[in-house]
Amino acid sequence: DGGITQSPKYLFRKEGQNVTLSCEQNLNHDAMYWYRQDPGQGLRLIYYSQIVNDFQKGDIAEGYSVSREKKESFPLTVTSAQKNPTAFYLCASSILTGTGTYEQYFGPGTRLTVT
Amino acid sequence: QQPVQSPQAVILREGEDAVINCSSSKALYSVHWYRQKHGEAPVFLMILLKGGEQKGHDKISASFNEKKQQSSLYLTASQLSYSGTYFCGTERRVHNAGNMLTFGGGTRLMVKP
Repeated sequence: DGGITQSPKYLFRKEGQNVTLSCEQNLNHDAMYWYRQDPGQGLRLIYYSQIVNDFQKGDIAEGYSVSREKKESFPLTVTSAQKNPTAFYLCASSILTGTGTYEQYFGPGTRLTVT
Repeated sequence: QQPVQSPQAVILREGEDAVINCSSSKALYSVHWYRQKHGEAPVFLMILLKGGEQKGHDKISASFNEKKQQSSLYLTASQLSYSGTYFCGTERRVHNAGNMLTFGGGTRLMVKP
């Protein structure tokens, strides 16, 4: 089955530690994205990548880092510099449609709690 | 800039209709609609392209008014399964950096029996 996988589903860390969230897709999508969602809020873009070895900052990139060494993988590292890291993190990938726009699909998410 | 969704929340009885609006202060290329159940990932519903397009999926349809920079999602004869938070995402394109979506704050919809 094709899809986007994120692991783990729940992650707990102590303050001051870096943590890496995994995102893998086997949809052969070129573009991948990371979003952050806080309780009762919308989704905010952290980073996105259109092609391998290239990525762009989104609206809230401070305190986060990414890499895109393979088309299938787009891991996100939450660094100790991120002041409020506790949130629900969603990875997405997208494909260009015949109408010239991109359909974006989401993984199941990782809920990170930092204490 | 984040699109504005209205209403923020709505409660319906099964079988009633609802309209969710999404407005932007910037010119829109397309509007994407998603539904998210509590604790789950958003699920793609449909994309509206500029040009006054209308689309439908089952009893959920949407329109896009390019001049007003607004999209509306119509839920007809609501079912219990329609409950969740609905998000609109407006597409923006950055030269040589691809496209991205900016999401609204969401509209919480609860359908009661």
